[in-house]
Amino acid sequence: DAGVIQSPRHEVTEMGQEVTLRCKPISGHNSLFWYRQTMMRGLELLIYFNNNVPIDDSGMPEDRFSAKMPNASFSTLKIQPSEPRDSAVYFCASRGTGSGNTIYFGEGSWLTVV
Amino acid sequence: AQKITQTQPGMFVQEKEAVTLDCTYDTSDQSYGLFWYKQPSSGEMIFLIYQGSYDEQNATEGRYSLNFQKARKSANLVISASQLGDSAMYFCAMREAYSSASKIIFGSGTRLSIRP
Repeated sequence: DAGVIQSPRHEVTEMGQEVTLRCKPISGHNSLFWYRQTMMRGLELLIYFNNNVPIDDSGMPEDRFSAKMPNASFSTLKIQPSEPRDSAVYFCASRGTGSGNTIYFGEGSWLTVV
Repeated sequence: AQKITQTQPGMFVQEKEAVTLDCTYDTSDQSYGLFWYKQPSSGEMIFLIYQGSYDEQNATEGRYSLNFQKARKSANLVISASQLGDSAMYFCAMREAYSSASKIIFGSGTRLSIRP
């Protein structure tokens, strides 16, 4: 079975540019999470969806960040305009409804804003 | 509000020794789940083990076991017979409320280094 698929794996962009990160969750999973990982702040939950509906976006740092989940198999995290302090690894993860509700991570999108 | 605390930023352990990584949590819920993930230097997040708050026995998965002490609100990860490949960051995580709509938060992690 395919795992969580994220794209792009690596992106280098200039400050002020729009960045769009994409995620395809595991088929059949009904919850999707976006996390950001930095050395200073560790692994932060930005937003999560359940059945395509945003449940908690309190971790989204600023209005420059937005996330959508138009259907059960696709989600985007957009940063506009990007800033150097947005440089981080962005992980998407998904979860089914089985025992434990374990979440499975994608390989991450490594973003560098210069 | 839920909170996960990992007090060991880094640990060095001799190969083949057992190692315990500490994790304490805070929650007001009676129903919750605890997880451990491994992040090697390549960056991916690998699920290791899960413990539900109502599970009476400590979870085990191969060389991994979770020492769950509910009254102390601790969920320590024990790795038996450590191997060089165990060198990685380890994260403790918690899901509050047994609901498909609940979020999962992570501790700050412990960097484990195995010496040959």
